[in-house]
Amino acid sequence: AQKITQTQPGMFVQEKEAVTLDCTYDTSDQSYGLFWYKQPSSGEMIFLIYQGSYDEQNATEGRYSLNFQKARKSANLVISASQLGDSAMYFCAMREGSGGSNYKLTFGKGTLLTVNP
Amino acid sequence: KAGVTQTPRYLIKTRGQQVTLSCSPISGHRSVSWYQQTPGQGLQFLFEYFSETQRNKGNFPGRFSGRQFSNSRSEMNVSTLELGDSALYLCASRPPSGGPDTQYFGPGTRLTVL
Repeated sequence: AQKITQTQPGMFVQEKEAVTLDCTYDTSDQSYGLFWYKQPSSGEMIFLIYQGSYDEQNATEGRYSLNFQKARKSANLVISASQLGDSAMYFCAMREGSGGSNYKLTFGKGTLLTVNP
Repeated sequence: KAGVTQTPRYLIKTRGQQVTLSCSPISGHRSVSWYQQTPGQGLQFLFEYFSETQRNKGNFPGRFSGRQFSNSRSEMNVSTLELGDSALYLCASRPPSGGPDTQYFGPGTRLTVL
């Protein structure tokens, strides 16, 4: 079974509108971390937002927020007020366990977001 | 603070050759991880180094190896290149424990094997 599932291969959004990118995860660990990265066509992976499994509040970073629903094992990314520069590939990733010496990220297949003017 | 840097950015090799990629982490970061990204397999973890020791390894053949130097810079080596090794190789560094639990990535090295 896939550990990280992103069911939307591609999404379109109008400039200035909000968009939600879906991510579900599968783990039996109690401690884990969830991340979203943005990858423009240049290739660099840009960190956007992090949510720890024990965090009770949804994470927010500027226009990005993570809608964390632990019971449903979902960690959707919400981008408010989309901008043309938001057009990119978006990856959801998970770090299982408490990290430390066994730190590795497992990535989903990604969602290609296109922002239309 | 300067970000993670990787050299070279682009590389073309032929089958059977070997290649070495370099990564310099963010200053103060001692953990360096490598990932392979291909259209078919997506992003896959290769290995992680910390204080010159490999701590964690993904499911890749022994042709893929790495090392880390005392200044935390890391190199990744692929021997006997195959066509399927064509990929974007991403390096990431992580702050020491107590800092944000986040890996920061470099721009990647795009390797093409002909």
